Amino acid sequence: GENVEQHPSTLSVQEGDSAVIKCTYSDSASNYFPWYKQELGKGPQLIIDIRSNVGEKKDQRIAVTLNKTAKHFSLHITETQPEDSAVYFCAASASGNTPLVFGKGTRLSVIA
Amino acid sequence: EAQVTQNPRYLITVTGKKLTVTCSQNMNHEYMSWYRQDPGLGLRQIYYSMNVEATDKGDVPEGYKVSRKEKRNFPLILESPSPNQTSLYFCASIPSGTGGEAFFGQGTRLTVV
Repeated sequence: GENVEQHPSTLSVQEGDSAVIKCTYSDSASNYFPWYKQELGKGPQLIIDIRSNVGEKKDQRIAVTLNKTAKHFSLHITETQPEDSAVYFCAASASGNTPLVFGKGTRLSVIA
Repeated sequence: EAQVTQNPRYLITVTGKKLTVTCSQNMNHEYMSWYRQDPGLGLRQIYYSMNVEATDKGDVPEGYKVSRKEKRNFPLILESPSPNQTSLYFCASIPSGTGGEAFFGQGTRLTVV
């Protein structure tokens, strides 16, 4: 089955700097790669996703890149703000009713 | 408002006392899933359901049961809870199994003493 590795497990950045979180996956059939943000006391919420027919997707200060050959994808947050502090999860799944598999999460702290 | 509702939010119980955590979604989603979240281990899938009367084991199904008699409800049952099931539990629903936004409930923090 699919295995998703996520790094780093913790990340501290100064406000205004960029943050990058990386994930690798094992199943070449995976074609859907979402990122979730979990704030304290809440369930994870989708912030951006990418499908395998696209190499990069941007939404304001966040972007996701995908390298299908190397089986890795990354989350980029620019101009970080204190409200970006949260736990971020990457995930992967293949079409055809296969489960969504999550990475172990990255705790991002943005220091003002 | 589109949402996934879990109950209860917090529960302290004793070893061996059967309990059920309810999950309900109002989005007519086909796919529902239960995860447990433990420090350093991320979100691990317990069980999932592709549709009514279709359930399957995830990565950590031992000690849990589920049922999917109606599309909107997906309860998690612990027949004989043990302390190693102390965890934060999340229910999620997705429009279908072919990839799409997963909507999560607010979580249930379970403590088994």
